[in-house]
Formats: sequence, structure tokens, C-alpha cells
Amino acid sequence: NAGVTQTPKFRILKIGQSMTLQCTQDMNHNYMYWYRQDPGMGLKLIYYSVGAGITDKGEVPNGYNVSRSTTEDFPLRLELAAPSQTSVYFCASSSTGYTDTQYFGPGTRLTVL
Amino acid sequence: TQLLEQSPQFLSIQEGENLTVYCNSSSVFSSLQWYRQEPGEGPVLLVTVVTGGEVKKLKRLTFQFGDARKDSSLHITAAQTGDTGLYLCAGRLTTDSWGKFQFGAGTQVVVTP
Repeated sequence: NAGVTQTPKFRILKIGQSMTLQCTQDMNHNYMYWYRQDPGMGLKLIYYSVGAGITDKGEVPNGYNVSRSTTEDFPLRLELAAPSQTSVYFCASSSTGYTDTQYFGPGTRLTVL
Repeated sequence: TQLLEQSPQFLSIQEGENLTVYCNSSSVFSSLQWYRQEPGEGPVLLVTVVTGGEVKKLKRLTFQFGDARKDSSLHITAAQTGDTGLYLCAGRLTTDSWGKFQFGAGTQVVVTP
């Protein structure tokens, strides 16, 4: 099993550019999450989804958008990139239940210049 | 400010020594998880604790959930170089109906030969 895959692995954007970070899971999980990780700050939840067609904001949603048209895919869209969005982005998925394991992808390192 | 405070932020020890990492909050959690993250990778789940006072052992790692479910600790006995990594705690608030995780900032552990 591939688990959670993310593309691209690295990206450099100019201020004002847009891009989509792709995330796919093959475990048939209902829950999917997008986090960003900044040095010394841990993981901050950007958006999450509890199933296809259902998404909600996390702790730091400003500047981002998501959609969930299928169980497998949960893309994250940056519309107008800003230097403050320079970070490492992780996608994760889990089955239902409050004790369930979150499975993380390998991350996308994004730099906005 | 972080909902979950981890201490210390950084820990450097020699192989064979013991170490303890702490995760504290003023909030109550329905469950708490510990993850380990290695450079360039996503976090990987080590354990989930759900009952106040619960102690779980995973080989040389011992995890404890506080009686009031507000804090947790991770103790490593006879550390090995393979224990090097960023240790993250994550908790689900009892007030959160969707079951989202709140992450601490992490403790960077370095074990030298």
C-alpha cells in the first residue's frame, strides 16, 4: 500500500502565484487533514474533511482553500502566495474514531519568495 | 500560545542514558497521542492513551496519561541512536465534536553514541 502520497515534494513560488498541493490516500479513510509545520511551532491544522463533500476550517485557514470530491483525494489550494505561507505542509488521513491513528504523507516543502 | 506545552524543547543525551519528555495543558483531552518524526518525513504514531492514569509500554518507551487527562509523559530507558527524532504529542479536546487533534511544538531528542 502507498498510504498517503503528496506532490510535489518541493516548490518555490513567487509572491502572488497560485498552486495546488495534491494529497491522495488509498486506505479508504473518511477523515483527511492538512497541516503546516513551522520551526518550533509544531503542526497547525489548516483544513480537515470528514468525508467526500464535507470540509471545515482548522486553526489557520486564511489564504488556503480545499475541496473533497472523492474519498481518496484532498487537494489544498493556495490562491495568492505570501511569504508567510513558507512552510512544510503535511497531509494526513484517519479512519473514524477518536483513538484512530493519523497516517501522514511525506510532506511538501514550500518556499514563497 | 500552544494549547499543549512540551518540555524540554531540546534534549541531547548519550546512548544508554534515560530521558523523559513532558506534554502539559490546562485543557482536558479525550485521548492523547505521541508521534515521532524524522527529518524529511511525516510524523509516525507511537501510542494512543485514552484513560486517565493509563500507562503503556512500547519496548523501552513508557507513556503515561495524567489522572486528570491534562498531561502526559514519555520516558525512554537506555536510549539508542535510533531514538533520535522530534517527539510530538497531540490531543483531542473533550469539547471537540469533530475530534480534531491539537499538536504540541515538539521536543527534539538527539542521542549520541
